[in-house]
Amino acid sequence: GQQLNQSPQSMFIQEGEDVSMNCTSSSIFNTWLWYKQDPGEGPVLLIALYKAGELTSNGRLTAQFGITRKDSFLNISASIPSDVGIYFCAGLTYSGGYQKVTFGTGTKLQVIP
Amino acid sequence: NAGVMQNPRHLVRRRGQEARLRCSPMKGHSHVYWYRQLPEEGLKFMVYLQKENIIDESGMPKERFSAEFPKEGPSILRIQQVVRGDSAAYFCASSDRGPNQPQHFGDGTRLSIL
Repeated sequence: GQQLNQSPQSMFIQEGEDVSMNCTSSSIFNTWLWYKQDPGEGPVLLIALYKAGELTSNGRLTAQFGITRKDSFLNISASIPSDVGIYFCAGLTYSGGYQKVTFGTGTKLQVIP
Repeated sequence: NAGVMQNPRHLVRRRGQEARLRCSPMKGHSHVYWYRQLPEEGLKFMVYLQKENIIDESGMPKERFSAEFPKEGPSILRIQQVVRGDSAAYFCASSDRGPNQPQHFGDGTRLSIL
């Protein structure tokens, strides 16, 4: 199925630095979600965005739902070693009583202490 | 990942055997999704089920793979006559009914084929 374009694919950053990643699509979504996956575990929901233009924070994480509804970004401020993992975006649409989820390709984050 | 329970966490099978993966959704959730993930890759959608119904199975191979979500009990992903290429992590997610409901994931079953 279709996947969202997520960038960058991977990044190495120094502890304490800020991080930014984004997802773009040619399709419009009703909801954007951001997940983090640690090695050997399932993805964990970080932030959910429900309205175009919405800016939501969760601790050091901030995410925005793009005005065009075709993109979203996630920022992590003052990174720490436990931020290491793979971050996935997901876009939701809803039609005919059922929802369809499209996942991004993931951004692998490595934090150098 | 509290709430979505998958078992077993690890499953080893020999080629030709059957693999059964189980998923109990979060309490109150009636929608279940199965994904497959290879090492260093993203999540590939397989199938979307509601109680007793398959809503979308467009990501599931036509042969050897089947899924169900009965009225009572967990959702089951079944792989018959497994081959080496079936080795992967299989994740289940669940969501509540209605629009814009986020999916919540289990910790997956890692399937290894000898």
